[in-house]
Amino acid sequence: DQQVKQNSPSLSVQEGRISILNCDYTNSMFDYFLWYKKYPAEGPTFLISISSIKDKNEDGRFTVFLNKSAKHLSLHIVPSQPGDSAVYFCAASRGSSNTGKLIFGQGTTLQVKP
Amino acid sequence: DTAVSQTPKYLVTQMGNDKSIKCEQNLGHDTMYWYKQDSKKFLKIMFSYNNKELIINETVPNRFSPKSPDKAHLNLHINSLELGDSAVYFCASSPTGGGQPQHFGDGTRLSIL
Repeated sequence: DQQVKQNSPSLSVQEGRISILNCDYTNSMFDYFLWYKKYPAEGPTFLISISSIKDKNEDGRFTVFLNKSAKHLSLHIVPSQPGDSAVYFCAASRGSSNTGKLIFGQGTTLQVKP
Repeated sequence: DTAVSQTPKYLVTQMGNDKSIKCEQNLGHDTMYWYKQDSKKFLKIMFSYNNKELIINETVPNRFSPKSPDKAHLNLHINSLELGDSAVYFCASSPTGGGQPQHFGDGTRLSIL
C-alpha cells in the first residue's frame, strides 16, 4: 500500500519559469511533510518541510503548499534554474510516533531547460 | 567535511557471500537509519537506531543485521546475499523526534552477480 504518491514521473520546464511538483498521501495521521532533492550518485538532500498546522512554507525560491482536506501537497520552484534539474522526493511522517520514520514517494524527475 | 559517510560506495559480489556496509555521521545526531532504494527507485526504510537502540525494524529478512557500536555509527551486515538484494542502500541520520529532516549519505550500490 503506497501511502505517498508522486504521480508524475517527470517534468520539463523552461529556465525562469515555475516548476510545480505534486504529491498525494493517503494516511491522515501524517503531520510532517518534507521535500528532498537528489542528484545522480548522491544521497537525497533536504529542501523544505511543512507541518500539518500550516498550509504554506516558503524558503527562497522554494514554496511548499499543503492542502489537508485533499491530502495533497505541492512544491513550487520560482524561478526554475538548470541546477534544479534533479529527482524530487516527497516524504511524510507521523511526528507523534517519535521514530522519525519517513515514507517516501517514488520521485519526480525535473528537467530545467536553459 | 562529510556529514554522513558510507563505505564502500560500490560493492560487487557473488550470490551467497556475506558483506558489510559502514556508516558514520559527524552531525551529533541521536538517530540513524538504513534505507533501500530498489530498481523502481522507491526509498524504503529498513532500520532505525536511536542512541544505539533499535527503534524501527521493518519487514526485512533476518539476513540483514544492523549494528550500532555507538550513536555515530550504524553498520549493515548482510548474510547469504541474494540477487534481489541488488539495490542502492542509503544511510541517514537526524535529531531525535518526528518530522526532523534526515541527512543522507551518498549511498552504496550493491550488485549481486
